[in-house]
Amino acid sequence: KNEVEQSPQNLTAQEGEFITINCSYSVGISALHWLQQHPGGGIVSLFMLSSGKKKHGRLIATINIQEKHSSLHITASHPRDSAVYICAVRFRGAQKLVFGQGTRLTINP
Amino acid sequence: EPEVTQTPSHQVTQMGQEVILRCVPISNHLYFYWYRQILGQKVEFLVSLYNNEISEKSEIFDDQFSVERPDGSNFTLKIRSTKLEDSAMYFCASTPDTQETQYFGPGTRLLVL
Repeated sequence: KNEVEQSPQNLTAQEGEFITINCSYSVGISALHWLQQHPGGGIVSLFMLSSGKKKHGRLIATINIQEKHSSLHITASHPRDSAVYICAVRFRGAQKLVFGQGTRLTINP
Repeated sequence: EPEVTQTPSHQVTQMGQEVILRCVPISNHLYFYWYRQILGQKVEFLVSLYNNEISEKSEIFDDQFSVERPDGSNFTLKIRSTKLEDSAMYFCASTPDTQETQYFGPGTRLLVL
């Protein structure tokens, strides 16, 4: 079964801390997306990756294809980073995205 | 920066009524998607379109649902005879290529009473 699991479900940290959110999936993929969902519900795409590592500002996403695992890191976290972070995967041969359950991140000042 | 738009932002309807949700994708995009998110649950894929035809659909996307591209600038999700369990946030998304990022609309929050 094609599944996506995220951990942790909830994460609370202090401003400035280094944050790591993990995502694992069950079978081979074409691409993995990291998305951000704000309290109003809107979804913003942060990264799409199929290998290696990508960086945008304070956000870094890595993927290990052999281990079927990806991580999203946030350096120097800030209260405005508070949101739900979602991992979504496009399995090989499919167009649809399969979503993880999300990680609710709260950064306290 | 171009963005995907959706209308309405909120809709309240009575059980058994039909609703039509609209999405305007980014203009040069070729692949279109509908997703839904029931409150407190993960986002779920409903259907994808390419070349004005359904290219993939989930088991959720049964005869109650239909999609159309009435003109070149928007596409719709129709839910016939709504049920209480159809209450959810519905997102559309578009992308120029399946190898690229999907761009999501802001969502339509549907409440079925």
